[in-house]
Amino acid sequence: AAGVIQSPRHLIKEKRETATLKCYPIPRHDTVYWYQQGPGQDPQFLISFYEKMQSDKGSIPDRFSAQQFSDYHSELNMSSLELGDSALYFCASSLGQSSSYEQYFGPGTRLTVT
Amino acid sequence: AQSVAQPEDQVNVAEGNPLTVKCTYSVSGNPYLFWYVQYPNRGLQFLLKYITGDNLVKGSYGFEAEFNKSQTSFHLKKPSALVSDSALYFCAVTYNAGNNRKLIWGLGTSLAVNP
Repeated sequence: AAGVIQSPRHLIKEKRETATLKCYPIPRHDTVYWYQQGPGQDPQFLISFYEKMQSDKGSIPDRFSAQQFSDYHSELNMSSLELGDSALYFCASSLGQSSSYEQYFGPGTRLTVT
Repeated sequence: AQSVAQPEDQVNVAEGNPLTVKCTYSVSGNPYLFWYVQYPNRGLQFLLKYITGDNLVKGSYGFEAEFNKSQTSFHLKKPSALVSDSALYFCAVTYNAGNNRKLIWGLGTSLAVNP
């Protein structure tokens, strides 16, 4: 079965650079979530989209932005990168935005900021 | 304040023994409860959920969990642990927040199954 695809899997950037992470949800899933997970930490919710509209916002810094496109893929744009942005970034998708639906996670993008 | 607690950072169990990973919650309204597992350097995988109905839910890989409303708990269990069950386990809960429902995560419990 198709899963959530994230690219790139690994990314190394320098401070103050920009980065774009991409997420391709499971086919027919219309809701996408972005999470940041630091070492040994629980996933921190950043932002979510339903039918190409922002549906909820968590602890996403102002330096970050995201959007969901007409084909339901999503991109997380990160600017003015800081050392503290180094983390695993997960995308998840679900079929609909009902909170009774489970989320399916991608393999993550490991971002290292040097 | 709405919260989810996984009181044990780490659980150690011998292979073949039953395992329990604990989760308690304090949220308003009717909770929806989830368990996810995370293997090293992998994304989280959905294991099971409780929305309504039978308090005992069965999920992937032989895991089950029981919703206990009076104790506000949703402990994850498996009758016989495997070494391959060693991973990080996260409990998550959604709760009513105005017109929406919010999802909150526990901090995770590291399960080590020893051969």
